[in-house]
Amino acid sequence: KAGVTQTPRYLIKTRGQQVTLSCSPISGHRSVSWYQQTPGQGLQFLFEYFSETQRNKGNFPGRFSGRQFSNSRSEMNVSTLELGDSALYLCASSLSSRDYEQYFGPGTRLTVT
Amino acid sequence: GQNIDQPTEMTATEGAIVQINCTYQTSGFNGLFWYQQHAGEAPTFLSYNVLDGLEEKGRFSSFLSRSKGYSYLLLKELQMKDSASYLCAVRDRGSQGNLIFGKGTKLSVKP
Repeated sequence: KAGVTQTPRYLIKTRGQQVTLSCSPISGHRSVSWYQQTPGQGLQFLFEYFSETQRNKGNFPGRFSGRQFSNSRSEMNVSTLELGDSALYLCASSLSSRDYEQYFGPGTRLTVT
Repeated sequence: GQNIDQPTEMTATEGAIVQINCTYQTSGFNGLFWYQQHAGEAPTFLSYNVLDGLEEKGRFSSFLSRSKGYSYLLLKELQMKDSASYLCAVRDRGSQGNLIFGKGTKLSVKP
């Protein structure tokens, strides 16, 4: 069974630009969560999608948004990039939002210059 | 507020036992997780506790005390490959399943 895949793996953008990251969950998994990981703050929850609906959102500004498609693939978008958005963005999938085991993808390393 | 505390770094010797502690204060509680993350890699699931007590899985065990807001991860017969960051996370009931992570404990295993 293929694991969670994320594309692209690495990305360099400049301030003010926008970026879209993609996550394909494990086949059969319907819940996708997104996290931002930085050395200073650790792993922080961004949002969770289940069956194309956003179930929950963390404490991030409205520049961070996401969506989920009918095949459970998910995208997150960050508009008007800031230097502080440089981070590893991880997505994790699970069978449902109540499933206790999440499987993480390898992440997208975003660098904003 | 939400707060999860764990030591920043620990060092242990190959073959020894190490205990990584985690204390939490969250608005709700619906389970505590431990993840292992090697440098440059994604976190991988290690254990899940929702009831008080000890859960054992091979060389790894995890303990939970809900009344004390406390958990620990016990690693036995340490191997060099156990050098990694260990992340404690709490599922907040009020958030319908959000995981709130601690900042992780970087464990270095020395020969």
